Amino acid sequence: DAKTTQPPSMDCAEGRAANLPCNHSTISGNEYVYWYRQIHSQGPQYIIHGLKNNETNEMASLIITEDRKSSTLILPHATLRDTAVYYCIVRGIYNQGGKLIFGQGTELSVKP
Amino acid sequence: DVKVTQSSRYLVKRTGEKVFLECVQDMDHENMFWYRQDPGLGLRLIYFSYDVKMKEKGDIPEGYSVSREKKERFSLILESASTNQTSMYLCASSTRPSPLHFGNGTRLTVT
Repeated sequence: DAKTTQPPSMDCAEGRAANLPCNHSTISGNEYVYWYRQIHSQGPQYIIHGLKNNETNEMASLIITEDRKSSTLILPHATLRDTAVYYCIVRGIYNQGGKLIFGQGTELSVKP
Repeated sequence: DVKVTQSSRYLVKRTGEKVFLECVQDMDHENMFWYRQDPGLGLRLIYFSYDVKMKEKGDIPEGYSVSREKKERFSLILESASTNQTSMYLCASSTRPSPLHFGNGTRLTVT
């Protein structure tokens, strides 16, 4: 599975959009981009995933560049409860082995 | 919503004890996983299972075993707990090819 690069930390004002970038320049054609987050002392929580089209669900939007070498997770109206470490992971959809490689992630701090 | 339940949030055990960590999922997922998470090392896969009575070693299986007698339940066993097994243990489940869904973890301290 391809490696990812994320900034170690970001701040966001409550109520504003949080845009979390991720670089995955070695991604291959059958690999999806997944986003998880981990709130302190809890297990990772799945947020969203996509292959090449932009995706949106009730939690977030995922924007993937046309060349698929980078993506951005958007939390449209960040709240204090969105403070967490956000992980961007690239994984082949038929990777049955569960070897999710969680990098260091981005620590997002949402401030009042 | 998928629910993955780990039996204990916190456990304290003594060196040499046999330790059982239990995980139950309620979505009929065929795949289940055990990870441990340590500061600076991220999540590391210990064991996983694709089906009842099946198991596969992950990256760090030494000192651990697993049991999957029923589809919804996946147990991690520390045969003889040691202090270097003090960690956060995370169980996850999925159905191919969906994302993994994690439990809230068991923080194990071995003294």
